Amino acid sequence: AQSVTQLDSHVSVSEGTPVLLRCNYSSSYSPSLFWYVQHPNKGLQLLLKYTSAATLVKGINGFEAEFKKSETSFHLTKPSAHMSDAAEYFCVVSDLYTDKLIFGTGTRLQVFP
Amino acid sequence: DTAVSQTPKYLVTQMGNDKSIKCEQNLGHDTMYWYKQDSKKFLKIMFSYNNKELIINETVPNRFSPKSPDKAHLNLHINSLELGDSAVYFCASSPGAGGPVTGELFFGEGSRLTVL
Repeated sequence: AQSVTQLDSHVSVSEGTPVLLRCNYSSSYSPSLFWYVQHPNKGLQLLLKYTSAATLVKGINGFEAEFKKSETSFHLTKPSAHMSDAAEYFCVVSDLYTDKLIFGTGTRLQVFP
Repeated sequence: DTAVSQTPKYLVTQMGNDKSIKCEQNLGHDTMYWYKQDSKKFLKIMFSYNNKELIINETVPNRFSPKSPDKAHLNLHINSLELGDSAVYFCASSPGAGGPVTGELFFGEGSRLTVL
């Protein structure tokens, strides 16, 4: 079965410093992977997706993620955090057999001035 | 112009009551979903409809009944509410029947249900 594990439930950074949110996946086939962001009291929004094209995927708001098959990872990064990046981030894998998206447990990103 | 809109945004009710949440999308998408997000932010699919037809029906109590009068609307009715039903319920939509494969879901802002 497909699954994702978000390794940190909470990450704190200072504004202007790099962001790293870690995600490992488990899949019996080549997966499709996604990152979603949820700002407080809002719905989720797609940040970026990997669907077996380029392994380095660029998303919105300066975020990017690299698919590493050897490490079964899909970590989300951003060179310089902004206050507006404070939110909950979800790593997601698609399950082709059940036609569902499987969500990770989320990582809360705090950004300090 | 909100793409996926849900009403109401907040619901506070007593145990045993019946309540409904409405969802509308103006994106022209074929598939709509209901997700439940618990207090630990865990998000799980409940139902999905493709062009008014039920596609996914997770292990959800029979007290939950979705209804899709047309492909732009998906409502959720909950009978005999229980304390454990307290959560945020998200409606979402995606283009085409293979929405989850492309991964692009468009979410509403959620309906926070509190059962006392």
